[in-house]
Amino acid sequence: EAGVTQFPSHSVIEKGQTVTLRCDPISGHDNLYWYRRVMGKEIKFLLHFVKESKQDESGMPNNRFLAERTGGTYSTLKVQPAELEDSGVYFCASSLISGPTLSKPYGYTFGSGTRLTVV
Amino acid sequence: GENVEQHPSTLSVQEGDSAVIKCTYSDSASNYFPWYKQELGKGPQLIIDIRSNVGEKKDQRIAVTLNKTAKHFSLHITETQPEDSAVYFCAASGGVYNQGGKLIFGQGTELSVKP
Repeated sequence: EAGVTQFPSHSVIEKGQTVTLRCDPISGHDNLYWYRRVMGKEIKFLLHFVKESKQDESGMPNNRFLAERTGGTYSTLKVQPAELEDSGVYFCASSLISGPTLSKPYGYTFGSGTRLTVV
Repeated sequence: GENVEQHPSTLSVQEGDSAVIKCTYSDSASNYFPWYKQELGKGPQLIIDIRSNVGEKKDQRIAVTLNKTAKHFSLHITETQPEDSAVYFCAASGGVYNQGGKLIFGQGTELSVKP
């Protein structure tokens, strides 16, 4: 089974430029999550898609970040314009179920991440 | 909102020794606590998890304990090996502020196992 795939693995851009990150979830996983880890701190939740709908976007830092999941398959996360503090590793995860239950495995699988450096 | 504190931030042990990483959470409604291992260049990988109706769970050299009253949970690795070296993250989910599969992570522990 193919895992969660993220592109690119690394990106270096100048402040003010635009960058688009892509995530391909495991086939059949309706739930897709974006997280990021900034400067060695905790991994922070950004948002959650159920199919093509945004279920929870409470972690999006500001309106420079735009996430889409057209057709409910792959997702993109665009940062425009990028700022220095946006540097970090952006992770995507997908799962079969969207909430913890006491009877099913969680099924959460993370991608390898995109390391974004804004200079 | 939910907060998860993780200690220590770095941990160095000799091969064969045990390693313990501790986490506390703030939302008493949280009911799912996974642990992830992140190796260099890879994404977090689930290594063990525990649900709130269980106090302890073991999988070979790895064990997790949960104290719901104190809102603490811990990861125990016995007979450590160099390949255990990685960053470990605890997380919590299922509470008031982390519904829908959203995970709240701790700050991470960089474990180094010296041969």
